[in-house]
Amino acid sequence: EPEVTQTPSHQVTQMGQEVILRCVPISNHLYFYWYRQILGQKVEFLVSFYNNEISEKSEIFDDQFSVERPDGSNFTLKIRSTKLEDSAMYFCASLISNTEAFFGQGTRLTVV
Amino acid sequence: GQQLNQSPQSMFIQEGEDVSMNCTSSSIFNTWLWYKQDPGEGPVLLIALYKAGELTSNGRLTAQFGITRKDSFLNISASIPSDVGIYFCAGRNEANFGNEKLTFGTGTRLTIIP
Repeated sequence: EPEVTQTPSHQVTQMGQEVILRCVPISNHLYFYWYRQILGQKVEFLVSFYNNEISEKSEIFDDQFSVERPDGSNFTLKIRSTKLEDSAMYFCASLISNTEAFFGQGTRLTVV
Repeated sequence: GQQLNQSPQSMFIQEGEDVSMNCTSSSIFNTWLWYKQDPGEGPVLLIALYKAGELTSNGRLTAQFGITRKDSFLNISASIPSDVGIYFCAGRNEANFGNEKLTFGTGTRLTIIP
């Protein structure tokens, strides 16, 4: 069964450093998302991406965040200067026009 | 923003028991979804509901889309050990797929006592 793949599974970074979280969505999917889940809390929407541009973003997705689909297969989330409160699980999701979103297994980001 | 409140927050049940959890919203959704999340994993879709009043089953799971479009419930019958996990409801404003964010509920943690 096709799946959304995320790498790395766990990333530890120092505060102030840049991180790039990578996702390979399901190959024929057209809509891409990043969600965040702080430990023990609910899943929160960050950003949606369609046709090579951001469709919608939440208030969490400030100027420190950016997304890119550099090569037609990868979908990345960059955090320019990480803060302690960025520590969370980050989930990528994708869908095609006639399905619900499939979620990846997540990247656990720990900022120290 | 929109809030989805789930209850109960946690449940401790014995294997074989039935489980019921619900989700209420401060505003209307046009689509309700139920996801299960295992530790260290991403959410996995269990049931999708697209019409007010709709009752849908997936094996031992049954979910309903409330008539007011502000609530939904999920029932699990005859629970088994692999049902352990966190269950999230999620709502979407548009009935169409794509390009539309999900608002997640606060989650219900299910634990099965041996």
